[in-house]
Amino acid sequence: AQSVTQLGSHVSVSEGALVLLRCNYSSSVPPYLFWYVQYPNQGLQLLLKYTTGATLVKGINGFEAEFKKSETSFHLTKPSAHMSDAAEYFCAVSSLAGGYQKVTFGIGTKLQVIP
Amino acid sequence: DGGITQSPKYLFRKEGQNVTLSCEQNLNHDAMYWYRQDPGQGLRLIYYSQIVNDFQKGDIAEGYSVSREKKESFPLTVTSAQKNPTAFYLCASSRGSTLSYELYFGTGTRLTVT
Repeated sequence: AQSVTQLGSHVSVSEGALVLLRCNYSSSVPPYLFWYVQYPNQGLQLLLKYTTGATLVKGINGFEAEFKKSETSFHLTKPSAHMSDAAEYFCAVSSLAGGYQKVTFGIGTKLQVIP
Repeated sequence: DGGITQSPKYLFRKEGQNVTLSCEQNLNHDAMYWYRQDPGQGLRLIYYSQIVNDFQKGDIAEGYSVSREKKESFPLTVTSAQKNPTAFYLCASSRGSTLSYELYFGTGTRLTVT
């Protein structure tokens, strides 16, 4: 079964500092990987996704992620944190289960931005 | 505007009662999903459906039931058999079963059972 592991359930950064949220995946086939963001008491929205092709993926709000097959990683980065980036971030992998798409999420990383 | 509507936003029930959470989408998406979110556990899949009148159990289906009688609707019933039903429930949809399709989420229903 495919899975993702997010290292660090809480991450704190200063405003203007680099944001790095870690995600490693486990997959026997080329993975389809996603990052979602959740603001308090809201649903999730897509930040970016990797399917095929370019390994550096750019998303909304200045975020990007790099797919590294050799490291089985898909870490999320942003060069300069903004207060509005404070939220919970989820890494996810899409796989086939019984012929249907099944999306499995990591446990999430809460990002705190310190002024 | 297209999207997913979950209602109600907050729901309170007494232990032993069944409760149904509503999920409606007007995105014309084929696939719909129910997830449960608990602090520190991420999102866990309860049920998913790719077409009308068909659905599959997810990782934590015990104590839950669903129906998919219409493409736009996928209600979730939390039965009295669910041992720990208090949680935040999220409904999602996607265009279909292609692995590259992303999920679109509703704003969730917070269920409290006492």
